[in-house]
Amino acid sequence: DIQMTQSPSSLSASVGDRVTITCRASQSVSTFLSWYQHKPGKAPKLLIYAASSLAPGVPSRFSGRPSGTDFTLTISRLQPEDFATYYCQQSYDSPFTFGPGTKVDIK
Amino acid sequence: QVQLQESGPGLVKPSETLSLTCTASGGSTSSYYWSWVRQAPGKGLEWIGNIYNNGGAKYNLSLKSRVIISVDTSKNQFSLRLSFVTAADTAVYYCARVSSGMLDAMDVWGQGTTVTVSS
Repeated sequence: DIQMTQSPSSLSASVGDRVTITCRASQSVSTFLSWYQHKPGKAPKLLIYAASSLAPGVPSRFSGRPSGTDFTLTISRLQPEDFATYYCQQSYDSPFTFGPGTKVDIK
Repeated sequence: QVQLQESGPGLVKPSETLSLTCTASGGSTSSYYWSWVRQAPGKGLEWIGNIYNNGGAKYNLSLKSRVIISVDTSKNQFSLRLSFVTAADTAVYYCARVSSGMLDAMDVWGQGTTVTVSS
């Protein structure tokens, strides 16, 4: 199975901050990598697909960048509605594993 | 825009079978793949399995012997059956649409349904 790790597991940040979350795959997943935002009691929301493509309707402050088996999600200027847990997921090979998540909360 | 809605019992007894249905409204199930994902209390997201439009399916190996996902395109529905449930299967269960054009990202999600396994 392909293992997905994320760092950090949690972070505290302020509105307006630049936030970067890293996801690492245990082997190549090409660009079959997605990022999701998940808030309590809500459905997960697709932010980034194909490692760097912005999903429709997602604000441009979100961006994704691949580098080999490392992937980053960046929020350029954190907004109040961005406080949530973020997950990466590989869809390259079954089982299509999620990372353990990164919780972003208010400093 | 397609919307997904999960339905099924909120309480299942240990050793019994959990059965959930996801209904797609505003679109067809025939041109996409479909997925089930769950989140146990205090845990992260766990992929359960995908059903493809050729009827084939892929499952999380940790559940493979207990899980069946099927699709009924005539009803725009797909279903999850998880047998011999235990308390570890207590979770919020989500259905999602898998978009091959997005390298199999899940672009539409249901709101989730809570299933508790308890006697």
